[in-house]
Amino acid sequence: QSVLTQPPSVSAAPGQKVTISCSGSSSNIGNNYVSWYQQFPGTAPKLLIYDNYKRPSGIPDRFSGSKSGTSATLGITGLQTGDEADYYCGTWDSSLSAVVFGGGTKLTVL
Amino acid sequence: QVQLVESGGGLVKPGGSLRLSCAASGFTFSDYYVTWVRQAPGKGLEWVSYISSSGTTRYYADSVKGRFTISRDNTKNSLYLQMNSLRAEDTAVYHCARLGPCDNGVCSKLEYWGQGTQVTVSS
Repeated sequence: QSVLTQPPSVSAAPGQKVTISCSGSSSNIGNNYVSWYQQFPGTAPKLLIYDNYKRPSGIPDRFSGSKSGTSATLGITGLQTGDEADYYCGTWDSSLSAVVFGGGTKLTVL
Repeated sequence: QVQLVESGGGLVKPGGSLRLSCAASGFTFSDYYVTWVRQAPGKGLEWVSYISSSGTTRYYADSVKGRFTISRDNTKNSLYLQMNSLRAEDTAVYHCARLGPCDNGVCSKLEYWGQGTQVTVSS
């Protein structure tokens, strides 16, 4: 199983807001920056959020990130059907000396 | 624009070897740490290894330590992954990615990803 824990799936209606949680420990989320990635089927992951809350150029402000203690959260507002994808959190684990990811969350926009 | 293009994947028997390559363009390759991440069919992302910009620092996931070797050639803007003693559980799409600035070896930002190359280990 993954070092970081995410819910397997979340769903919401178009236009609504959804949050995806990512739980870790002091050796990873608690002391390192968190990133979030979006992946559509059959394509490469794309960086969505980095350094806990920053958005790369071109990522709309409908996407937001936050971190508190050993947990992080990805928020998506104004949901669109085009947001249906898998979302992964990731960070560095200082005990493992490794990049670690969550198991991924499948977002369904009903 | 930043491009990362993997190659070298294929079908290999258990115990066999394969060498993956990743050709980088659109940025100064020698300035960046780079990494390999894999994704088994229907599964999530699994980090494999990273290498520092100069090649002097390398880290590996426990699942591949001792079997895989990461390397780079900054004169050719290329990243490599030598995979030996392959197992069925190594079957996955292998992506290379460019890492964002790493602080004392701590890397948490995979900025750009390649589309990946399929590795299948089966008899």
